[in-house]
Amino acid sequence: DVKVTQSSRYLVKRTGEKVFLECVQDMDHENMFWYRQDPGLGLRLIYFSYDVKMKEKGDIPEGYSVSREKKERFSLILESASTNQTSMYLCASSGQYEQYFGPGTRLTVT
Amino acid sequence: EDQVTQSPEALRLQEGESSSLNCSYTVSGLRGLFWYRQDPGKGPEFLFTLYSAGEEKEKERLKATLTKKESFLHITAPKPEDSATYLCAVEGPGTYKYIFGTGTRLKVLA
Repeated sequence: DVKVTQSSRYLVKRTGEKVFLECVQDMDHENMFWYRQDPGLGLRLIYFSYDVKMKEKGDIPEGYSVSREKKERFSLILESASTNQTSMYLCASSGQYEQYFGPGTRLTVT
Repeated sequence: EDQVTQSPEALRLQEGESSSLNCSYTVSGLRGLFWYRQDPGKGPEFLFTLYSAGEEKEKERLKATLTKKESFLHITAPKPEDSATYLCAVEGPGTYKYIFGTGTRLKVLA
């Protein structure tokens, strides 16, 4: 079974803090993704990576950066958290086609 | 513009009452259409991939079908444990990016 794990299920941070969300997959997948999910807006792609050290912007990259130093690990960084970044963050990985998701991190920025 | 529309937004069924969820899409050159189930507060769980018109896939009480413009997720004799949000996504050519619909919230009453 594919397993995608995320470092935290729930996280509360203050405005202006630097936030790291980590994702690890165990299927040797080339591609990894970060989404945020908000009510009424669905899943929106923040960044994705198709190889180590390679990244591409998704639909809403502003305020975020990513890092992929190892194939199995993909990190999402909020350089200076803001209240409008309160959301559910979902990591996914894929080989050829279907994406497999982690359990999500519910981030609250106060 | 590539787009995915799911209907209805919400659906309430009595246990055993079969129904269908719809996913309409516009994408230039479909690489794949994907169905996911998402329980509250959790990441989406992969259900099916469909690649070409006429294809069908089944899993327990669920059956997914695909035409050139839409996909249906048929639920036969649903049980309360089938209650969840069902998400549809498509992948176009030359990209790893999915386009997600906003989902159908299904509630099955005992």
